[in-house]
Amino acid sequence: DAGVTQTPRHEVAEKGQTIILKCEPVSGHNDLFWYRQTKIQGLELLSYFRSKSLMEDGGAFKDRFKAEMLNSSFSTLKIQPTEPKDSAVYLCASSLGGAETLYFGSGTRLTVL
Amino acid sequence: QQKVQQSPESLSVPEGGMASLNCTSSDRNFQYFWWYRQHSGEGPKALMSIFSDGDKKEGRFTAHLNKASLHVSLHIRDSQPSDSALYFCAASEANTGKLTFGDGTVLTVKP
Repeated sequence: DAGVTQTPRHEVAEKGQTIILKCEPVSGHNDLFWYRQTKIQGLELLSYFRSKSLMEDGGAFKDRFKAEMLNSSFSTLKIQPTEPKDSAVYLCASSLGGAETLYFGSGTRLTVL
Repeated sequence: QQKVQQSPESLSVPEGGMASLNCTSSDRNFQYFWWYRQHSGEGPKALMSIFSDGDKKEGRFTAHLNKASLHVSLHIRDSQPSDSALYFCAASEANTGKLTFGDGTVLTVKP
């Protein structure tokens, strides 16, 4: 079975640009998560979808970050406009739901200049 | 206060040795606990979950949970250089798949 697929693996953006990160969850999974990982803050939850419905969209990230699930097999995370402090690894993860195991993609490393 | 706290921040053990990682939660709503491992350049991967008090063993890995103290530990026996990675403890409430992660422990296994 295919795991969680994230594209691109690396993204370089200028300050003020709009970038869109993509994620394909494991087929059949109901829950989808976007996390941001930095050395200082660790793993922070950005968004949480259950059966395509937005359950949580981490308060501090609301203003410039928007995650969407266009269908059960594809999600995007838009950052608009980007700022240098957004430089991080963005991880997408999916699970069957409830207390089931979370499967992560390899992440997108974003660098904002 | 962070809801899931891990210690130590980093740990170095010789090959073949025992590595012990600790995790404490401050939120009594957390019911389920996981250990994840992340190698450089990859996403975290689940090692094991533990939901009940006591020990759970999977190969060289043993997790221990004490729900009364909200403490969970991970012990890796016969550590291998390939075990060198960032280890996360994660917890969730019942009826939600949302995980709260600790800051991680960097484990280095020296040949």
